[in-house]
Amino acid sequence: NAGVMQNPRHLVRRRGQEARLRCSPMKGHSHVYWYRQLPEEGLKFMVYLQKENIIDESGMPKERFSAEFPKEGPSILRIQQVVRGDSAAYFCASSPSWGTEPDTQYFGPGTRLTVL
Amino acid sequence: GNSVTQMEGPVTLSEEAFLTINCTYTATGYPSLFWYVQYPGEGLQLLLKATKADDKGSNKGFEATYRKETTSFHLEKGSVQVSDSAVYFCALSGMNRDDKIIFGKGTRLHILP
Repeated sequence: NAGVMQNPRHLVRRRGQEARLRCSPMKGHSHVYWYRQLPEEGLKFMVYLQKENIIDESGMPKERFSAEFPKEGPSILRIQQVVRGDSAAYFCASSPSWGTEPDTQYFGPGTRLTVL
Repeated sequence: GNSVTQMEGPVTLSEEAFLTINCTYTATGYPSLFWYVQYPGEGLQLLLKATKADDKGSNKGFEATYRKETTSFHLEKGSVQVSDSAVYFCALSGMNRDDKIIFGKGTRLHILP
């Protein structure tokens, strides 16, 4: 059973460009979470999604950031008009549906975004 | 709201030393508690967890006991190895299905040979 997959692993963008980060959850998982980790800091929750629904986006900046988890395909975290402060590692995690192990999240390897 | 506080690092120990990383939490009800480990350049891996009071989670020689009376979940290992060098995150998850996981700030551990 493949783990959580994220791509790209490293992404370099110039200021003003768009960044698209992709996350494929573990097989059978229908819940996806995105986190941001700044250098030497802990993880900050950004958004929690289920298929075609945003459950909790309380950690998402109000502008330029969006996330989706379509019925088919990976979850996408999109950052428009990137700025240097967006440089960070972005981690995706997934968890099973309610009734099995709802509270254990499995993490992907992360995407390291560098904004020049 | 829910929160997690863990000891600040970095923690530097010699190989075979005893390790304790403190973690305390604030939460309503009976959360689940976790320790995650992050090796350099990688994502977080679940190290161990406990879902109710007095449960002991254990894995790879690490242990942590869910102490409701002291609201703590301290991570311990009897004899650390150089390969244990990593960042360790304490975390909790609330009782409701849609409660997000709350992470501590992480403790960096350096083990010297």
